[in-house]
Amino acid sequence: AQTVTQSQPEMSVQEAETVTLSCTYDTSESDYYLFWYKQPPSRQMILVIRQEAYKQQNATENRFSVNFQKAAKSFSLKISDSQLGDAAMYFCAYGKETSGSRLTFGEGTQLTVNP
Amino acid sequence: EAQVTQNPRYLITVTGKKLTVTCSQNMNHEYMSWYRQDPGLGLRQIYYSMNVEVTDKGDVPEGYKVSRKEKRNFPLILESPSPNQTSLYFCASSYRGLSSYNSPLHFGNGTRLTVT
Repeated sequence: AQTVTQSQPEMSVQEAETVTLSCTYDTSESDYYLFWYKQPPSRQMILVIRQEAYKQQNATENRFSVNFQKAAKSFSLKISDSQLGDAAMYFCAYGKETSGSRLTFGEGTQLTVNP
Repeated sequence: EAQVTQNPRYLITVTGKKLTVTCSQNMNHEYMSWYRQDPGLGLRQIYYSMNVEVTDKGDVPEGYKVSRKEKRNFPLILESPSPNQTSLYFCASSYRGLSSYNSPLHFGNGTRLTVT
C-alpha cells in the first residue's frame, strides 16, 4: 500500500522569506500523481500544485514550486516570498488513476508565517 | 458558481442515532468520494463512486454507507454512529479523476461531526 509521510508537523517562516516543506512517499508504481493541498482555518482544501510522475520537470505555480526526486520518492514544496496568507496546514498527497482516483494524504504540516 | 456543497457544516449527535451528511455537486462530475480528516492522520478515503450506481470502499469504510442514485448527489450515511467517528468529513468530486489536469479534485467545505 502506498504511504505518504510528512515529517515536519509544524514549520514557521518569516514573512518574505522562503520555506521548504518535506514529503516522502512509498510506491512501487511508475505512473502516478503528486499534489500539495493547502487548508487554511476556513477548512477549505485548496490545490496548490500538481506533479505528474512521468514529467521530469518540476512543477511551478507562481511563488510555489516543487522539488520532485522520483528515485528518492521525495516531493518537497518550496514557498518563496512567504506571505501572511500562506499560513495554513499543508498536505502532500499521492494518487493513481487506477486506484479509483483515491488520494493518499500525508499527516500534514502546519505552517506559521511570522510578520 | 461551480461547487461541492456539504450539509450540515456542524453536527453533534449521540451514539447510535442514524444520520446522513449530504453532498451535492453542480459540475456534472462523474467521480465523487468521501474522506475523513483526523489530527496526525491526514485525510483518509471512506468510499468513492466512479459514476451513478457504482460505489466502492476506500481505506476506512467500516461504519459508513453511501449511495449514488443521481450523478450530482453522494450522501454519506452513518447507521449507528459511534464516538470514534467523531471527525471532520469532506466530500470531493472531479470530472475524470486525476488524469484530467483541468479538473482537479474539488472539495466541499467539510462537516464537523461530534458523536457523544
